Amino acid sequence: GQQLNQSPQSMFIQEGEDVSMNCTSSSIFNTWLWYKQEPGEGPVLLIALYKAGELTSNGRLTAQFGITRKDSFLNISASIPSDVGIYFCAGQLSTSYDKVIFGPGTSLSVIP
Amino acid sequence: GAVVSQHPSWVICKSGTSVKIECRSLDFQATTMFWYRQFPKQSLMLMATSNEGSKATYEQGVEKDKFLINHASLTLSTLTVTSAHPEDSSFYICSARDGKLEKETQYFGPGTRLLVL
Repeated sequence: GQQLNQSPQSMFIQEGEDVSMNCTSSSIFNTWLWYKQEPGEGPVLLIALYKAGELTSNGRLTAQFGITRKDSFLNISASIPSDVGIYFCAGQLSTSYDKVIFGPGTSLSVIP
Repeated sequence: GAVVSQHPSWVICKSGTSVKIECRSLDFQATTMFWYRQFPKQSLMLMATSNEGSKATYEQGVEKDKFLINHASLTLSTLTVTSAHPEDSSFYICSARDGKLEKETQYFGPGTRLLVL
């Protein structure tokens, strides 16, 4: 089936540093989504991308939908301790009516 | 944003019993709900897609007779784990899609942690 790959698997960074993580797929996705999950909670949507090449920001977060439709990246600027969590990329193959396929996640730790 | 709730938030049960988990969309009508399972340190794996008023669509490898899904109304879907065993212990998360918004994506519930002894 469809599979998403995320890198890096985990990151340990100093507070204030910028973070970059990316997601690739062997399939073309029509929608890319980035979620954050904290321990014991459900994932929370951070950014949704609907068009190839689209660059969208949400506060200190910026994500882009790759031109090939097979990749996306998420950047976090000036990290803070509350950025700690698991970041999942996810995609939908066709429309927003389609199921969401999740990547394996990137674990982010921020050292104060 | 849209709110999805789950009940209970955690449950402990004996092996062989059945457990029902509820997923509710609180401020929108959800024509479609999704059920996911997440094991520790792993990603979310889709179990089934539930459409209001029709049978659920199960992902490959998910036993439909073991994981019963009912989506009887536009705001409620239930997942029943029948004859639960320790290997069914997991974090179960539902998501719901607002049927009125074409581009709107899915909103996730807070999850239900199931421990089968």
